[in-house]
Amino acid sequence: AQTVTQSQPEMSVQEAETVTLSCTYDTSESNYYLFWYKQPPSRQMILVIRQEAYKQQNATENRFSVNFQKAAKSFSLKISDSQLGDTAMYFCAFIGERDNNDMRFGAGTRLTVKP
Amino acid sequence: NAGVTQTPKFQVLKTGQSMTLQCAQDMNHEYMSWYRQDPGMGLRLIHYSVGAGITDQGEVPNGYNVSRSTTEDFPLRLLSAAPSQTSVYFCASSLTSGTYNEQFFGPGTRLTVL
Repeated sequence: AQTVTQSQPEMSVQEAETVTLSCTYDTSESNYYLFWYKQPPSRQMILVIRQEAYKQQNATENRFSVNFQKAAKSFSLKISDSQLGDTAMYFCAFIGERDNNDMRFGAGTRLTVKP
Repeated sequence: NAGVTQTPKFQVLKTGQSMTLQCAQDMNHEYMSWYRQDPGMGLRLIHYSVGAGITDQGEVPNGYNVSRSTTEDFPLRLLSAAPSQTSVYFCASSLTSGTYNEQFFGPGTRLTVL
């Protein structure tokens, strides 16, 4: 079964600075999809960014970008110009192309942006 | 569009009681799923459905039943609640099953079993 590991339970960053959240995964599939979801204190899960494994180019969405290292099975999220509204739990998630009904989530990283 | 709606938002049960968590979506999505979120464990898939009349088990299905009689609704039933089922429950939907499709999540139900 696929596993997703987020090794940083908590992180903090000063407003306007850059922070990187780590995620590693384990799979035997050759193609798969990776996601970062944000869960603010409201509890609503919001998609931040996604990446398809066979695409070499790293995904970017405004201030959010990923560093996808397929060989290392690593998928980190970089948040630039951090804002107070970025304070949230961040979950890394994986879904395989073969077993495409079972999305696996990491345990999450709690990010606090300090003024 | 209301998106994905869940009721109730909060619920307290006694051990052995039964209840149904309601989930509905108005986006005509084929795929719907139920997750539970426990501290330090992220979200884990309970059951999912790839269309009306089709359901299957996820990672942690024991103690839960589901049915999908319409495209819009996907209720989750706890037949005999246990303290281990204390958790936050999320319903989600996407256009089709898995892959690159974004899953849209409901606001969650916080369930406490005493």
